[in-house]
Amino acid sequence: SQQGEEDPQALSIQEGENATMNCSYKTSINNLQWYRQNSGRGLVHLILIRSNEREKHSGRLRVTLDTSKKSSSLLITASRAADTASYFCATDAYTGGFKTIFGAGTRLFVKA
Amino acid sequence: DTEVTQTPKHLVMGMTNKKSLKCEQHMGHRAMYWYKQKAKKPPELMFVYSYEKLSINESVPSRFSPECPNSSLLNLHLHALQPEDSALYLCASSQDRAGRAYEQYFGPGTRLTVT
Repeated sequence: SQQGEEDPQALSIQEGENATMNCSYKTSINNLQWYRQNSGRGLVHLILIRSNEREKHSGRLRVTLDTSKKSSSLLITASRAADTASYFCATDAYTGGFKTIFGAGTRLFVKA
Repeated sequence: DTEVTQTPKHLVMGMTNKKSLKCEQHMGHRAMYWYKQKAKKPPELMFVYSYEKLSINESVPSRFSPECPNSSLLNLHLHALQPEDSALYLCASSQDRAGRAYEQYFGPGTRLTVT
């Protein structure tokens, strides 16, 4: 079963606008990660936030984590056409072994 | 070198064929993974190797057989696959799986079509 659920499923914005994607999960986690996947290719790690952190920044990326609500958000500021991709949250949950479980993903389309 | 390589990039095989997917990394990572990804879906974990030992098998059918010959290589042997096994197969590696989280580095994937 999927650990992370993301919304929106798809997002279309203009270049220069901000994009916000949300992820919710069900069980306790040690950390939460965000990955990007360009069409049909491998995933690229964007950022990792640990369960004792509330916010993390990396360049134009800002990630928040609310463990009480079991949710995280990824904000991409000043989006570019090159940001067009699918974005997945991933949690490392212990279920008899540490497993990485990916959310359903948000497909972001940035129009030039 | 922060690259994970996978071969072949594309593979078409019949249901009676035997083929293998290969994955290689030279980052000194001690954990390696196989994922299966269907179109417009997230990657689904299949297997995890930690220090060359199989540590997680997500109830994958026996027609998929993983192998980790050494710390840099990971193979996925395929035999008697079904058309529904057609998907993108992704390999990844990370520093280790000793109860701590590390970012995973993914290869570009092998697009498998079973006819």
